[in-house]
Amino acid sequence: QKEVEQDPGPLSVPEGAIVSLNCTYSNSAFQYFMWYRQYSRKGPELLMYTYSSGNKEDGRFTAQVDKSSKYISLFIRDSQPSDSATYLCAMTYTDKLIFGTGTRLQVFP
Amino acid sequence: KAGVTQTPRYLIKTRGQQVTLSCSPISGHRSVSWYQQTPGQGLQFLFEYFSETQRNKGNFPGRFSGRQFSNSRSEMNVSTLELGDSALYLCASSQDPPNYGYTFGSGTRLTVV
Repeated sequence: QKEVEQDPGPLSVPEGAIVSLNCTYSNSAFQYFMWYRQYSRKGPELLMYTYSSGNKEDGRFTAQVDKSSKYISLFIRDSQPSDSATYLCAMTYTDKLIFGTGTRLQVFP
Repeated sequence: KAGVTQTPRYLIKTRGQQVTLSCSPISGHRSVSWYQQTPGQGLQFLFEYFSETQRNKGNFPGRFSGRQFSNSRSEMNVSTLELGDSALYLCASSQDPPNYGYTFGSGTRLTVV
């Protein structure tokens, strides 16, 4: 069993939709939780990071962590075609970053 | 502020050869990590260096090695290349501890033929 599980998608939504991306994990030692966005032929770009359970909002993006259920989510409001990318959840402990496999998102006009 | 720079961007090598990839971290970042990304396995951790010392290592064979220099620049080497080594190799730098996440370079696309 992988330490971090993520639905690979692909996910295809119309512009303006609310998108929900999710990951589950098995290791309770994970301390920091991150979401990265990766465009084609580029490296991953950090979108959001959080430490504690609860919600963290940044513009159209909300990251949610539920440590008791070992579940994290990223919500994208008012999705735009420019949001089309692969979204990777990542978690860290002992300076090692463990990634989910990524969810490919396509937002069509 | 310059980002993480990886060179070269693309590389084609023959099976059995060796290859060296380079990574220059963000100024002030002393931790450099390397990842292999493939469609089947996703992003897999190779190793992490801090102050010229390997601090963590993933589950890769000994053909994969790395080092870090006193200016924090890092190189990774793959010897006796196999077809399965074809991948995007990503370098990430961070402050220590990496509370604010890791910044990735654009990667080196290695193709082994």
